[in-house]
Amino acid sequence: QVQLVESGGGVVQFGRSLRLSCVASGFTFSSHAMYWVRQAPGKGLEWVAVIWYDGSNKYYVDSVKGRFTISRDNSKNTMYLQMDSLRAEDTAVYWCARGVVPAAFSFADYWGQGTLVVVTS
Amino acid sequence: DIQMTQSPSSLSASVGDRVTITCRASQSIGSYLNWYQQKPGKAPKLLIYAASSLHSGVPSRFSGSESGTDFTLTISSLQPEDFATYSCQQSYNIPITFGPGTKLDI
Repeated sequence: QVQLVESGGGVVQFGRSLRLSCVASGFTFSSHAMYWVRQAPGKGLEWVAVIWYDGSNKYYVDSVKGRFTISRDNSKNTMYLQMDSLRAEDTAVYWCARGVVPAAFSFADYWGQGTLVVVTS
Repeated sequence: DIQMTQSPSSLSASVGDRVTITCRASQSIGSYLNWYQQKPGKAPKLLIYAASSLHSGVPSRFSGSESGTDFTLTISSLQPEDFATYSCQQSYNIPITFGPGTKLDI
């Protein structure tokens, strides 16, 4: 069965860095675009980034451009989100999610359990 | 950016009720509209994709429809497990955007 497991969240100071990981199993990871989506406490869902199946294209929401980097290692069935220059407004639960197609924007049919990132001053 | 709005923001209903939630896109998005259900502390779950296609395993009491830039999620007969927050999402263009959510409670 499809499984996505995030890790790497935690409490971090303003301006510091954190790297999230998402390990996939139960499907052919290299055939799917992958997403990061977040939700700040008490707020709605916000798409953060997407990466094509082969890593050839990456897209970000404006608020994280230049600070966050999405990447993947298909040999390890793992996706990453490198988060630099963290701000208080980055505090959220972060989910990884599977896109249904390799190289286009789409819906996400499977989600991980989420990892909490808290940015403190 | 494409803005997604939802109405109502919250809704009280009873088991057995028929419920309709509306999502409106700020511009044409074709049928690139998806619906998710989320319960507190849990990840979102896909219900409907491409405006009206039911995701595998989702009960048939859930349905979706579209009319131009207006999209509707209908639950034909509410069950206890349906009390949750429902969010729409457009996957037409970047940035992918979600509606603010509709909280459905008793």
